[in-house]
Amino acid sequence: SAVISQKPSRDICQRGTSLTIQCQVDSQVTMMFWYRQQPGQSLTLIATANQGSEATYESGFVIDKFPISRPNLTFSTLTVSNMSPEDSSIYLCSVGRPGNYGYTFGSGTRLTVV
Amino acid sequence: GNSVTQMEGPVTLSEEAFLTINCTYTATGYPSLFWYVQYPGEGLQLLLKATKADDKGSNKGFEATYRKETTSFHLEKGSVQVSDSAVYFCALSKIQVQGAQKLVFGQGTRLTINP
Repeated sequence: SAVISQKPSRDICQRGTSLTIQCQVDSQVTMMFWYRQQPGQSLTLIATANQGSEATYESGFVIDKFPISRPNLTFSTLTVSNMSPEDSSIYLCSVGRPGNYGYTFGSGTRLTVV
Repeated sequence: GNSVTQMEGPVTLSEEAFLTINCTYTATGYPSLFWYVQYPGEGLQLLLKATKADDKGSNKGFEATYRKETTSFHLEKGSVQVSDSAVYFCALSKIQVQGAQKLVFGQGTRLTINP
C-alpha cells in the first residue's frame, strides 16, 4: 500500500490566519481525499482532489475556505483559510486506487486555532 | 444514502475479556466494509476489510464478518490486551473499478482496556 507523508504534524495558529497542509505520496495515485476530524468526532470528508481538475467539495465545505491544490499524481495541499477556533481539528489526507478496497491515511495534522 | 452506525462508546473492558463492537450499515448495492483503528495521537490504520457477503476479515486477533442479511459488520476479539486501547471506526465504500470511492465512517467507538 501507499506511504503518505503529511506535514505539519501539528500547529497552533492565530485566528484570521491561514495554514497549508501538505500531503506527499510515495506512488502515483488518481484520487486523494481530505478529511476533517473534529475533537471527539468521526471523520468527515472535505473534498476529493483529482489531478488536473478542480477538487470536488462535500456539502458544507467551500473552496474559498478550504482551497486545494493537486499539481501532480503524488502531491496535494489543503489550505485552511481565515481560521477561527471552530477550525481546530485533525486534518487527514487519504489515498485509494482504482479497484482497490483499501485506503491509506496520512498521520494527520492536529490544528489548534487560538 | 450510504451510512454507518456503530455502537456508542466508550467501552471499558478488562484485559483478556471478549470484545464486540457492533456496526450496521445502510447502502445501495454491494459496498466494501472496513474497520479502522486510531491509536492515541496517531492517524488511522486499516485493521481489516471484507468486500463481499460472508467474507470474514481478520487481523491481529480481530475478526469481522460481512453479513448482508443483517447489514452488519461487527468487530470481535476473543481476548483483548491493554495495547488494543484505541478508537475504532467502521466504514463502507462502494466498489468502483474505474476509480476509488470515498469512505463513509461511523461515529467511532473508544475502547479502553484496563490491566
